[in-house]
Amino acid sequence: DAGVIQSPRHEVTEMGQEVTLRCKPISGHNSLFWYRQTMMRGLELLIYFNNNVPIDDSGMPEDRFSAKMPNASFSTLKIQPSEPRDSAVYFCASIRTKTGGLGDTQYFGPGTRLTVL
Amino acid sequence: GENVEQHPSTLSVQEGDSAVIKCTYSDSASNYFPWYKQELGKGPQLIIDIRSNVGEKKDQRIAVTLNKTAKHFSLHITETQPEDSAVYFCAASSTDSWGKLQFGAGTQVVVTP
Repeated sequence: DAGVIQSPRHEVTEMGQEVTLRCKPISGHNSLFWYRQTMMRGLELLIYFNNNVPIDDSGMPEDRFSAKMPNASFSTLKIQPSEPRDSAVYFCASIRTKTGGLGDTQYFGPGTRLTVL
Repeated sequence: GENVEQHPSTLSVQEGDSAVIKCTYSDSASNYFPWYKQELGKGPQLIIDIRSNVGEKKDQRIAVTLNKTAKHFSLHITETQPEDSAVYFCAASSTDSWGKLQFGAGTQVVVTP
């Protein structure tokens, strides 16, 4: 299995520009998570989807952030407009959740390192 | 909601010695406790996990213990090697959480030769 795929791996942009991060979860996984990691705040959960439906977006910092999951094999995280404080590593993770069952292994992608100048 | 605390934040050990990282959780409904290892420039990778129906699990040099009564769990690495140097995260989740994990703040482990 190819694992969770994220693109791009690195993104450098200027303040005010739109940034779109992409994620392809592991085939067969039905939940997808977007995280942000910084030295100051550690690993933060931004939003997660189950069966392509957003379940909890309370971690999304501002309206400038939006996420979509149009189908089971693709998700995007968009920042518009971007700001320097958005600079971080963004991870996508996926998991297969079982109705009424215990937690399954959550697999992380390699991350996208975003730098906003 | 769930809150996971992790200690210590940094840990320096001599090669060959043991390393122990401890986590506490607040939600008694939590029943799944994974540990992730993150190497520089990579995403976190699962190294071991434990479910609430067992008290201990071992995989070669790595072991995890769980005390449900005290709501704490620990990672033990024996015979540490330089390649064990990384950031380790503990996490907790419950059955009805859609797989959502609450992570600890992480422990930077440095193994010196």
